[in-house]
Amino acid sequence: NAGVIQTPRHKVTGKGQEATLWCEPISGHSAVFWYRQTIVQGLEFLTYFRNQAPIDDSGMPKERFSAQMPNQSHSTLKIQSTQPQDSAVYLCASSSQVRDTQYFGPGTRLLVL
Amino acid sequence: DAKTTQPDSMESTEGETVHLPCSHATISGNEYIYWYRQVPLQGPEYVTHGLQQNTTNSMAFLAIASDRKSSTLILPHVSLRDAAVYHCILRVNNNNAPRFGAGTKLSVKP
Repeated sequence: NAGVIQTPRHKVTGKGQEATLWCEPISGHSAVFWYRQTIVQGLEFLTYFRNQAPIDDSGMPKERFSAQMPNQSHSTLKIQSTQPQDSAVYLCASSSQVRDTQYFGPGTRLLVL
Repeated sequence: DAKTTQPDSMESTEGETVHLPCSHATISGNEYIYWYRQVPLQGPEYVTHGLQQNTTNSMAFLAIASDRKSSTLILPHVSLRDAAVYHCILRVNNNNAPRFGAGTKLSVKP
């Protein structure tokens, strides 16, 4: 079991460019979560999917951020027109069911210059 | 999910037993107490969880107050590898995604 896989591990973009982050959940897990972590804000919930359906996106910024889960083996978080304040570590987690223990990936460190 | 309160930081020395406190005065009867830890450059890692009874596993012992308004994660004989941020969160056993706070940063000196 390779655990939750996130790619890329590091990404540098210029202001205004688009960034797409990938997450491969643990095989068989039905729930996928996205979080963002910064020193100032800590670990913030963004959104989650259950059986590929979006369930709660209350933490997602209303503009420029979107998440999808086109199949059970991966989810993407897309940030359009990136801004320096989007710089953070983006963490993906999965669990066998929503109520169960989450397993986190190593994160993608995004730096917007 | 109810809010938790943890100290920002704690210090310890290798070999000591560390007690990490968490206050959750407004906890509901159906909320579980979860602990995660996070080392730099990695995502949080599950440590343990409990509802009412104390629990123990290979990583830690979780002591839950009889009124459930507080809990303590006990780390026996800490090593340098135990230095991490420890998050105490509450989760209702339903379909809500867990929210994390700042946690307690545990430093371990040689």
